[in-house]
Amino acid sequence: AQSVTQLDSQVPVFEEAPVELRCNYSSSVSVYLFWYVQYPNQGLQLLLKYLSGSTLVKGINGFEAEFNKSQTSFHLRKPSVHISDTAEYFCACMEYGNKLVFGAGTILRVKS
Amino acid sequence: NAGVTQTPKFQVLKTGQSMTLQCAQDMNHEYMSWYRQDPGMGLRLIHYSVGAGITDQGEVPNGYNVSRSTTEDFPLRLLSAAPSQTSVYFCASSYSNLAGAYEQYFGPGTRLTVT
Repeated sequence: AQSVTQLDSQVPVFEEAPVELRCNYSSSVSVYLFWYVQYPNQGLQLLLKYLSGSTLVKGINGFEAEFNKSQTSFHLRKPSVHISDTAEYFCACMEYGNKLVFGAGTILRVKS
Repeated sequence: NAGVTQTPKFQVLKTGQSMTLQCAQDMNHEYMSWYRQDPGMGLRLIHYSVGAGITDQGEVPNGYNVSRSTTEDFPLRLLSAAPSQTSVYFCASSYSNLAGAYEQYFGPGTRLTVT
């Protein structure tokens, strides 16, 4: 069965610094991978997705992620964060049938 | 488009009461699903549907029922509420094929407290 592990529950970072949120997945078959963002008291919004093709995926708000099949990872990066990036970020994996399996989430706290 | 809408936004129930959480989408998506979100556990799939008249269980289905009589609506029923069902519930919908890129659109959530 597939599973998703987000390696950090919280990541504090200063404004304009780079950030990496780590995600590892476990699956015996090919998967689709997603990053979602949740701002306080809101629903989830898709940041980016990997379905096939180039392993470097660019998303909204300057975020990007790299799919690494050998390491079963899909880490999210941003070269320079802003206060408005403070939110909870979820990595998710889909094997088949549209069913998403989510990681536990990483809270990104951007400090001024 | 209104996207995915959920009602109510907040609800307090007593143990043993029943209620229905409403979810509707106006994007003609085949796939709809219900998740619950608990601190430190991410989102877990409760039930899902691949089209009108077709539903199936997810990871945590116990204590919940669903039905899908139309493409637009996918209500979630709590049969006899328990404190363990205190959570935030999200409904989501998507096209169920690669052309739709499997992107799931989420509603704003319903915060449920069971006392």
